[in-house]
Amino acid sequence: NAGVTQTPKFRILKIGQSMTLQCTQDMNHNYMYWYRQDPGMGLKLIYYSVGAGITDKGEVPNGYNVSRSTTEDFPLRLELAAPSQTSVYFCASSYSIWYNEQFFGPGTRLTVL
Amino acid sequence: AQTVTQSQPEMSVQEAETVTLSCTYDTSESDYYLFWYKQPPSRQMILVIRQEAYKQQNATENRFSVNFQKAAKSFSLKISDSQLGDAAMYFCAYIGGNEKLTFGTGTRLTIIP
Repeated sequence: NAGVTQTPKFRILKIGQSMTLQCTQDMNHNYMYWYRQDPGMGLKLIYYSVGAGITDKGEVPNGYNVSRSTTEDFPLRLELAAPSQTSVYFCASSYSIWYNEQFFGPGTRLTVL
Repeated sequence: AQTVTQSQPEMSVQEAETVTLSCTYDTSESDYYLFWYKQPPSRQMILVIRQEAYKQQNATENRFSVNFQKAAKSFSLKISDSQLGDAAMYFCAYIGGNEKLTFGTGTRLTIIP
């Protein structure tokens, strides 16, 4: 199993551009999450999904959108990129939302100039 | 809202020695889970150890153990026989009834050969 994969690994955007961060998991997990990690900080939840077709906001959802059309994929869309969105983005998945371990992808480092 | 505090931004330990990383949290819930995640330079988040609040026995995973003090809302991580591969950022995290994982700001652990 590949686990959780994310593409791209690095990206530089100009202010106002848009992009989609891809996330795929092959563990048949129902729950998937998007986090951002700013320098010197812990991870903050952007959006999460409890299954295909169901998504909900986390702590910092402004400026982002998500969709979940399949169990495997959970893309994160950035519209009108801003310098405040410069961060490392992690996708994660878990079997349940409660006590089960969240498995993380390798992250995407995004810089907005 | 739940908060997780790691008061040690950086720690260092001699190889083969023991080190303890501190974590405190604030919650009004009685049932919850606590985690320690490791983030090496590769950025990959890896679960180190997990503790359920209802279990009085402290969790142990090989060289890693916790000291869980529920009344004091304290959840420290002890690493015994430190190895060079233990060098990483360590994040304490909490999940409770709102089902969203809350991370602390992390402790950077350096292993001195």
